[in-house]
Amino acid sequence: NAGVTQTPKFQVLKTGQSMTLQCAQDMNHEYMSWYRQDPGMGLRLIHYSVGAGITDQGEVPNGYNVSRSTTEDFPLRLLSAAPSQTSVYFCASRKAVSTEAFFGQGTRLTVV
Amino acid sequence: GDSVTQMEGPVTLSEEAFLTINCTYTATGYPSLFWYVQYPGEGLQLLLKATKADDKGSNKGFEATYRKETTSFHLEKGSVQVSDSAVYFCALSARGTSYGKLTFGQGTILTVHP
Repeated sequence: NAGVTQTPKFQVLKTGQSMTLQCAQDMNHEYMSWYRQDPGMGLRLIHYSVGAGITDQGEVPNGYNVSRSTTEDFPLRLLSAAPSQTSVYFCASRKAVSTEAFFGQGTRLTVV
Repeated sequence: GDSVTQMEGPVTLSEEAFLTINCTYTATGYPSLFWYVQYPGEGLQLLLKATKADDKGSNKGFEATYRKETTSFHLEKGSVQVSDSAVYFCALSARGTSYGKLTFGQGTILTVHP
């Protein structure tokens, strides 16, 4: 079983460049989320989705866009990369509100 | 809004010591509560969960009880092992106005020495 697949695993961007972090799940989960993990800050929610066509902002949405055109995919777009976006990004999916979330292996992004 | 507060870390213990990691939460409605663990270089994986008041979640010797009256979900283990060294995250899944959000605490680094 693939579970939650994130690509790429590593990425270096220059300030001002844009890119898309891909996230796909094959478990038919309705709920998907993007987090960033920074030292001492835990996981902070960027955007989340409760189903195809439905997205909402988390606590740190600025500089990021998402869309959810299918149940399987939930890409995260960086519009104009900044050094403050250097972080490890995790995508997660789950079947329902009370069930466990499954995480991808993460994308380590460095913005120079 | 919803939030999770974990005890400050890092926590350093000797093997076979007793472990407590405190977690308190603020939420509208009655959230589901989770503990996740992250081993070095990996993503998070579920350790245990509780979905209603007074439920006890348990797994691999770890336990946590959903206490509505104190809005807490403290993680405990009677005898830790070196292999328990990891980062532990408390999390809540909202049912109220933030339905669908999964919110994490800041994480507690645990190091267990032989």
